[in-house]
Amino acid sequence: SQTIHQWPATLVQPVGSPLSLECTVEGTSNPNLYWYRQAAGRGLQLLFYSVGIGQISSEVPQNLSASRPQDRQFILSSKKLLLSDSGFYLCAWNPRGSLSEQFFGPGTRLTVL
Amino acid sequence: AQSVTQLGSHVSVSEGALVLLRCNYSSSVPPYLFWYVQYPNQGLQLLLKYTSAATLVKGINGFEAEFKKSETSFHLTKPSAHMSDAAEYFCAVSDQSFQKLVFGTGTRLLVSP
Repeated sequence: SQTIHQWPATLVQPVGSPLSLECTVEGTSNPNLYWYRQAAGRGLQLLFYSVGIGQISSEVPQNLSASRPQDRQFILSSKKLLLSDSGFYLCAWNPRGSLSEQFFGPGTRLTVL
Repeated sequence: AQSVTQLGSHVSVSEGALVLLRCNYSSSVPPYLFWYVQYPNQGLQLLLKYTSAATLVKGINGFEAEFKKSETSFHLTKPSAHMSDAAEYFCAVSDQSFQKLVFGTGTRLLVSP
């Protein structure tokens, strides 16, 4: 069966510090991968998605970037965090080329102070 | 562009009462529709999905939703609420590619004894 992992689970970082959040998927190959941010009262906002290694699409201009160095690894990064980057970050995947829902990871709670 | 509107950021019911969570969508193409549930500090779990087959869709935990094209709605219902149903519920819409989900802002369901 497929599983999706995110780490860390929680993170507290000062303004201006770098960020690296990692997401990995097991038990499948060639997945579509997604990063979402959830802010209080605003639902989920799609930040990035990837259909393959090195292929990243950005949905909103922001202080964040994403990379996919391996087929089942998706990384969310920032060089300098802003207060507004605080939130709950969710990674998701679905099988490429099939009519399937997205499967979500457990999330990372980021607090920028 | 696709969008989803969830009426009511909070819905309160008594245990055993009917649950009705509202979702209206906007889509220029035949939509695929989803309901997800989120428990505190966890990822999202799929409750049910509509993919143009039966308009009445049954999901997990006794939930169901009916796709009504004339009303552009996909409301979520459960005949009898249970305390364990207390969570946040998200409606989402996708085009046929399943590559992007657009989420509503969520409805928090509160269940009182």
